[in-house]
Amino acid sequence: DAKTTQPPSMDCAEGRAANLPCNHSTISGNEYVYWYRQIHSQGPQYIIHGLKNNETNEMASLIITEDRKSSTLILPHATLRDTAVYYCIASLGSGNTGKLIFGQGTTLQVKP
Amino acid sequence: KAGVTQTPRYLIKTRGQQVTLSCSPISGHRSVSWYQQTPGQGLQFLFEYFSETQRNKGNFPGRFSGRQFSNSRSEMNVSTLELGDSALYLCASRDSIWRDRELFFGEGSRLTVL
Repeated sequence: DAKTTQPPSMDCAEGRAANLPCNHSTISGNEYVYWYRQIHSQGPQYIIHGLKNNETNEMASLIITEDRKSSTLILPHATLRDTAVYYCIASLGSGNTGKLIFGQGTTLQVKP
Repeated sequence: KAGVTQTPRYLIKTRGQQVTLSCSPISGHRSVSWYQQTPGQGLQFLFEYFSETQRNKGNFPGRFSGRQFSNSRSEMNVSTLELGDSALYLCASRDSIWRDRELFFGEGSRLTVL
């Protein structure tokens, strides 16, 4: 799995968009970018994943650069409940078993 | 549909003892993975089981073991507990071994070793 780099912490005002960056410069062509988050004392929660194209679901949008060396997770209207540690993971796709390599993540603090 | 269920949620053991943790995956999910989370090392992969077979293993000593039953429920065991084994142990399930499927995590079992 490719190594990912995220800022250790970020703040965001409630109601504004939260843009969480992630660098994965060594990502290989068959590795997906996954985002999970972990709210204090709970298990990690899947948010979104993508390979090449930008993706959007009910929770967030994922923007992947054309060279795939970085991506941004966008929470369009952050709420206090979005305060959590956000993990960006680069992982092989179908045909492979296993593990996700979690880094230290970004602690997002949404403030009123 | 019920989520991933882990039992017990909290437990306290002493050094040298052993512990068994249980995980019931989401109905229909056949893959179960285990992770250890500590403040110092973060989330680390322990192993994954699919159809009662261990598919992948992380870098943990042999004191950490697991198994999966025919109903996809899984258990992990830690023998000869050490203080450093104090952690949140998380179980995750998915409906396939294809890695582009998301993992669904349980709330974890918090183990304290005294």
